[in-house]
Amino acid sequence: SQQGEEDPQALSIQEGENATMNCSYKTSINNLQWYRQNSGRGLVHLILIRSNEREKHSGRLRVTLDTSKKSSSLLITASRAADTASYFCAMNSGGYQKVTFGTGTKLQVIP
Amino acid sequence: DAGVIQSPRHEVTEMGQEVTLRCKLISGHNSLFWYRQTMMRGLELLIYFNNNVPIDDSGMPEDRFSAKMPNASFSTLKIQPSEPRDSAVYFCASKSDVGALHFGNGTRLTVT
Repeated sequence: SQQGEEDPQALSIQEGENATMNCSYKTSINNLQWYRQNSGRGLVHLILIRSNEREKHSGRLRVTLDTSKKSSSLLITASRAADTASYFCAMNSGGYQKVTFGTGTKLQVIP
Repeated sequence: DAGVIQSPRHEVTEMGQEVTLRCKLISGHNSLFWYRQTMMRGLELLIYFNNNVPIDDSGMPEDRFSAKMPNASFSTLKIQPSEPRDSAVYFCASKSDVGALHFGNGTRLTVT
């Protein structure tokens, strides 16, 4: 069963605009991660935020985490056509570091 | 670093046949995860191992599914007998401790 839900399910924006994706999860976590998947490929890790962190940046990516609301957001600034992909949040939980995924957001960036 | 390697990339088989999917982990990683991805159900965790030991197999759909990790660098996922509803993309991924998952490119299974 899915441990996280993302919204929106799909997002279409113009190149140069910002894209925001939200993730809500159910259980307590060790950390939360965001992944990207291009069509027909495996997932690629983007960024990891620990449960005691509230915000993290990596290049054009900004991730926030609110453990009281069990939610996270991923912001991609100044989007490019090459950012077109599906994006997934992943929850790392438990002593053995179980990793489960959200439902994903399909992002389309129009040139 | 050769990355996580899955084989085969594509598998087409008839209902009732046995299917074996293979995964080679990244050297030094101590956790191995098997996921199944479909349009309807998204990315489902089937089973994961830590230091070659199965930790949680609650996601394995039925007794027809089994997974092994005979050594620290290799794992198999077997479906016997296969059914059309098993058609999906199967991913394995490995990681070390609290690090990020590294995914293979998946096996696309079609059961007719």
